[in-house]
Amino acid sequence: EIVLTQSPGTLSLSPGERATLSCRASQSVSSNSLAWYQQKPGQAPRLLIYGASGRATGIPDRFSGSGSGTDFTLTVSRLEPEDFAVYYCQQYGTSLSLAFGGGTKVEIK
Amino acid sequence: QVQLVQSGAEVKKPGASVKVSCKASGNIYTSYYIQWVRQAPGQGLEWMGVINPSGGNTAYAQKFQGRVTMTRDTSTSTVYMDLTSLTSEDTAVYYCAKYIAGRVNAMDVWGQGTTVTVSS
Repeated sequence: EIVLTQSPGTLSLSPGERATLSCRASQSVSSNSLAWYQQKPGQAPRLLIYGASGRATGIPDRFSGSGSGTDFTLTVSRLEPEDFAVYYCQQYGTSLSLAFGGGTKVEIK
Repeated sequence: QVQLVQSGAEVKKPGASVKVSCKASGNIYTSYYIQWVRQAPGQGLEWMGVINPSGGNTAYAQKFQGRVTMTRDTSTSTVYMDLTSLTSEDTAVYYCAKYIAGRVNAMDVWGQGTTVTVSS
């Protein structure tokens, strides 16, 4: 069973700053199995990135994903007020099973 | 574009069962799966299982094996998640989500969530 570890747990930044979020897998995973989601309070998660670096439909280009093997990164180039939220990475395994990271909260400094 | 609409909030007593529905509308003829994910208050996302609405085949997280059953009704484009022997630990928001396998391998459409509260 693959375990995803996200860091940091909380990121305190100001609007306009760059956010770099990490997702580390306990063993090497295929890049096409790694996705990122954004979740705001009281809302369902929203797909941001699939296949480690592909932006989902309607996602602004300030969001980008990168990485391979065990280390993946979500970058928000310049934080907008609406970007302050919790972010989760997700990996799929055998038989369409899923694993989620514990989440990173991006809060306003 | 597929939309997913879930059933309303539920309050259950310990030991009871709950059945949450997830109805798909829109362009439902594309190939996809429905994943079920839950989120306890203040916690992260937890995968429960997946169902293929077309063939009905399922896969469940080991944690829920024996307690969860996912079914579908193709005539109404609805999938169901049945969870038995509820405890307070099952208090959570339950989400269904459309999962695209293959190139995407992610959930691009989510239901609005169903709050299940287990309390005596």
